[in-house]
Amino acid sequence: DTEVTQTPKHLVMGMTNKKSLKCEQHMGHRAMYWYKQKAKKPPELMFVYSYEKLSINESVPSRFSPECPNSSLLNLHLHALQPEDSALYLCASRLTGGLGETQYFGPGTRLLVL
Amino acid sequence: QKEVEQDPGPLSVPEGAIVSLNCTYSNSAFQYFMWYRQYSRKGPELLMYTYSSGNKEDGRFTAQVDKSSKYISLFIRDSQPSDSATYLCAMSNYNQGGKLIFGQGTELSVKP
Repeated sequence: DTEVTQTPKHLVMGMTNKKSLKCEQHMGHRAMYWYKQKAKKPPELMFVYSYEKLSINESVPSRFSPECPNSSLLNLHLHALQPEDSALYLCASRLTGGLGETQYFGPGTRLLVL
Repeated sequence: QKEVEQDPGPLSVPEGAIVSLNCTYSNSAFQYFMWYRQYSRKGPELLMYTYSSGNKEDGRFTAQVDKSSKYISLFIRDSQPSDSATYLCAMSNYNQGGKLIFGQGTELSVKP
């Protein structure tokens, strides 16, 4: 089973709202990722967690706050977003070590900021 | 110059055609090469994964990596309308913490 799940599928929020995106995997992967994808563009890396510790932050604005409560869960907390933050937010996971460099993506959360 | 170059298309072919998708790259340290398929408004789905140089075949799909030329290809035989999607090449170096470098994606349309 190579499934990464994400909730919610769609989210509409105002610029003063606080919301969270959730990602879950049960493949025993120890690296998890958040990406942002705009229309007709490739995914753009935001954060990487390795063994539940933040290992990469691609200079993402502080209105995005990641959290990794355990090895299966990844959250992205959103606060005071801007309309330009509207995008597809993708979670991915990877089995670290050996030849396990393959990342598996979830279906994404489509976010609209009004 | 981007680290990974991929023709964005769009590419339109008739059903049954052989499709060739390509990426070139500049970083000789890349060791892992992937092709993802992404349907409209969905997450990328891993199609093919190759480590270092060589060919890999899976059904109608063949991935080729030529590290000496820094060139990777994905061939789709007997293309079907259900293959219509955006195809993203991606590559990484083990020492980058699994960070993937993507091409721009090629939009493919297979017409019945």
